[in-house]
Amino acid sequence: NAGVTQTPKFRVLKTGQSMTLLCAQDMNHEYMYWYRQDPGMGLRLIHYSVGEGTTAKGEVPDGYNVSRLKKQNFLLGLESAAPSQTSVYFCASTLAGGLRNEQFFGPGTRLTVL
Amino acid sequence: DAKTTQPNSMESNEEEPVHLPCNHSTISGTDYIHWYRQLPSQGPEYVIHGLTSNVNNRMASLAIAEDRKSSTLILHRATLRDAAVYYCILRDYQTGANNLFFGTGTRLTVIP
Repeated sequence: NAGVTQTPKFRVLKTGQSMTLLCAQDMNHEYMYWYRQDPGMGLRLIHYSVGEGTTAKGEVPDGYNVSRLKKQNFLLGLESAAPSQTSVYFCASTLAGGLRNEQFFGPGTRLTVL
Repeated sequence: DAKTTQPNSMESNEEEPVHLPCNHSTISGTDYIHWYRQLPSQGPEYVIHGLTSNVNNRMASLAIAEDRKSSTLILHRATLRDAAVYYCILRDYQTGANNLFFGTGTRLTVIP
């Protein structure tokens, strides 16, 4: 199993450009998450999904949109990138909402917005 | 979710035990205590979790105070690979989405 994979690994954008980050998992997990991590900080939840076709806002959703058209994929979109969105983005997935289920994280996407 | 307090950093000698403390004085009866760690340039990985009783797994042990207001993650024999940021997180099992709220964690340095 590849686990959780993220595409791309690195990206540089100019202010105002748009892009989509792709997260894929091959563990048949129901729940998927997008986090961002700024330097010296912990991770903050952007959006999450509890199943195919569903999404919900997390702690810092402004400036981002998400879609979960297929169970194995969770896309994070930036419609008009801003320098404040320079960060490392992590995707995670888990089997379901139960406490026993650990979250599995991808390797991250490092995004720089100039 | 209730907050946790951890030291910013700790050091340990290689092959010695490490005790990483976490205070959670406002913990509720339905909060589980989770620990994740983040190795350099990687995503976080699950370490261990517990509710009231001490827990052991292949990675670590979790010691939970009787009043549950604090807990300690124990690495029995630190290796250089254990150098990471360790996060103590409370999870309310009544909340359905299994969201994790990360603080700034404890950066563990392992000295050869």
